[in-house]
Amino acid sequence: SAVISQKPSRDICQRGTSLTIQCQVDSQVTMMFWYRQQPGQSLTLIATANQGSEATYESGFVIDKFPISRPNLTFSTLTVSNMSPEDSSIYLCSVGGQIGSYEQYFGPGTRLTVT
Amino acid sequence: QKEVEQDPGPLSVPEGAIVSLNCTYSNSAFQYFMWYRQYSRKGPELLMYTYSSGNKEDGRFTAQVDKSSKYISLFIRDSQPSDSATYLCAMKYSGAGSYQLTFGKGTKLSVIP
Repeated sequence: SAVISQKPSRDICQRGTSLTIQCQVDSQVTMMFWYRQQPGQSLTLIATANQGSEATYESGFVIDKFPISRPNLTFSTLTVSNMSPEDSSIYLCSVGGQIGSYEQYFGPGTRLTVT
Repeated sequence: QKEVEQDPGPLSVPEGAIVSLNCTYSNSAFQYFMWYRQYSRKGPELLMYTYSSGNKEDGRFTAQVDKSSKYISLFIRDSQPSDSATYLCAMKYSGAGSYQLTFGKGTKLSVIP
């Protein structure tokens, strides 16, 4: 499995500001995913980030709020824009396994608190 | 009805006990089933994955899938305090291009020494 790191590990931000979360993988991967994990809730997929193309967003998530970059096969960023307290959550980067497999591996997460 | 239901617990057992964790699902299109373990303040760690109905064993862990009942289980034998974590079930539709995992809410397990 890939080794995934995320920065920052946690942050406390004021409402109305934006935070960019970085995800770095130790090997080239085709598929990268961004999830949100709110207290007491299931992990929810925000978007799928493919290198060289626009990210694909799930229902309820929009690019203006969660812009994503995928400049190469080992790196991606997720920005949480114009934050409100409802955005307080853990944000997780995930990568797919071997091509044709369905395994996904997760980074350690970024714990965001919006005040 | 949510697509995946998982009892959030918390579940507390003595060390050495057999633990049974379960999820039910409503959509028969789910074909791949996974269990993740998540320690506090860490990301989910893939424990086991299965495709077909039946059992799959890995050390002290056994994953069981019953597609006819839409029910999956994870059994932990000889539970250890280090097994204390939140266990998440996850499922995926089959088919190329289908990458989204649907998760249960997770069951918090505590194994008491």
